[in-house]
Amino acid sequence: EPEVTQTPSHQVTQMGQEVILRCVPISNHLYFYWYRQILGQKVEFLVSFYNNEISEKSEIFDDQFSVERPDGSNFTLKIRSTKLEDSAMYFCASGGPNQPQHFGDGTRLSIL
Amino acid sequence: KNEVEQSPQNLTAQEGEFITINCSYSVGISALHWLQQHPGGGIVSLFMLSSGKKKHGRLIATINIQEKHSSLHITASHPRDSAVYICAVRPGNQFYFGTGTSLTVIP
Repeated sequence: EPEVTQTPSHQVTQMGQEVILRCVPISNHLYFYWYRQILGQKVEFLVSFYNNEISEKSEIFDDQFSVERPDGSNFTLKIRSTKLEDSAMYFCASGGPNQPQHFGDGTRLSIL
Repeated sequence: KNEVEQSPQNLTAQEGEFITINCSYSVGISALHWLQQHPGGGIVSLFMLSSGKKKHGRLIATINIQEKHSSLHITASHPRDSAVYICAVRPGNQFYFGTGTSLTVIP
């Protein structure tokens, strides 16, 4: 069965650095999502992406964040000038219209 | 503010018991999702529903749009059902998540 794959599984970065989290969605899916889950807290929606543009974003998704689909297969989340509070598990998901989402296994981001 | 409320927060059951997890929400939605998060952190989508009832194996999900309420039922629970069950609602392309119900099924 096709899977959403995320890399790396764990990223450790110094505060103030930029990180790029990578996702390969399922190939025939059209909708892509990023979520984050701070340790011990609930999952939070960051952004949805459709037709090569952001279709919705949450209050969390400020100018520090950006998403890109650089080559038609990868879907990336870039976090500029990382802060300690950006430490979290970041999940990518993809789906078709009116279909359940398929989640990747997540990238654990640790900011030091 | 919490757009999505789940109950109970924690649930322990004996193997074989019938389990119900509840979700109430306060916003108009186009769909409601039930998700399962395993102890390792991975998330699996169980159901997406916008009306009525869906069944998959031992899992049943129902939704009452007028009452803004959904339930997830697990029949003949098994220790492998132990996980966190999360309700998420979708108004437009935004998603709001509940805090999850942590289920432990004891053999």
